[in-house]
Amino acid sequence: DTAVSQTPKYLVTQMGNDKSIKCEQNLGHDTMYWYKQDSKKFLKIMFSYNNKELIINETVPNRFSPKSPDKAHLNLHINSLELGDSAVYFCASSLNRDELFFGEGSRLTVL
Amino acid sequence: GNSVTQMEGPVTLSEEAFLTINCTYTATGYPSLFWYVQYPGEGLQLLLKATKADDKGSNKGFEATYRKETTSFHLEKGSVQVSDSAVYFCALNTGGFKTIFGAGTRLFVKA
Repeated sequence: DTAVSQTPKYLVTQMGNDKSIKCEQNLGHDTMYWYKQDSKKFLKIMFSYNNKELIINETVPNRFSPKSPDKAHLNLHINSLELGDSAVYFCASSLNRDELFFGEGSRLTVL
Repeated sequence: GNSVTQMEGPVTLSEEAFLTINCTYTATGYPSLFWYVQYPGEGLQLLLKATKADDKGSNKGFEATYRKETTSFHLEKGSVQVSDSAVYFCALNTGGFKTIFGAGTRLFVKA
């Protein structure tokens, strides 16, 4: 039983398209996150939700819109994709701001 | 602001060699410190952590000691194996909803 699962694992799309990534955690955690990892492996936080409320939005373009329908789910929708959006997007969760549990990542390639 | 600096890689070692990956941090207050490991094609997973000064975190033969006087949390292992080849991330959290990661250090272990 995967603790943090995200789908799809791979997305390949054209510039200007819209795409979504879904994330679910079955750990009973109260906080969920989206991180972006670039080609150099640098990891940067994008969003953080605590009990479905947006807590952190790290100067991410408006084209990125997270949605948390409940504490166990955090989805990421990206409009008007650009070449620079190509990266691996990781969903993570935590309980009481402790260690992070990561999903396996969703590799987005924008052509 | 808070930040984490870790040694640049890649680090290439022969099997059974001693490993040190340096990590220093800048933070207000008293952060919790973490080492995460990312194996190829996977998400990050917690390797070890320490929550206060002089604590030693350990797991799978890896160790790191929280040194407040030198603001460091260096990762060590006495004898590396080929299966330890991965990217290692030092990270900190000051009790908020944001975990800050270092740039990652890639380790290659040759048989």
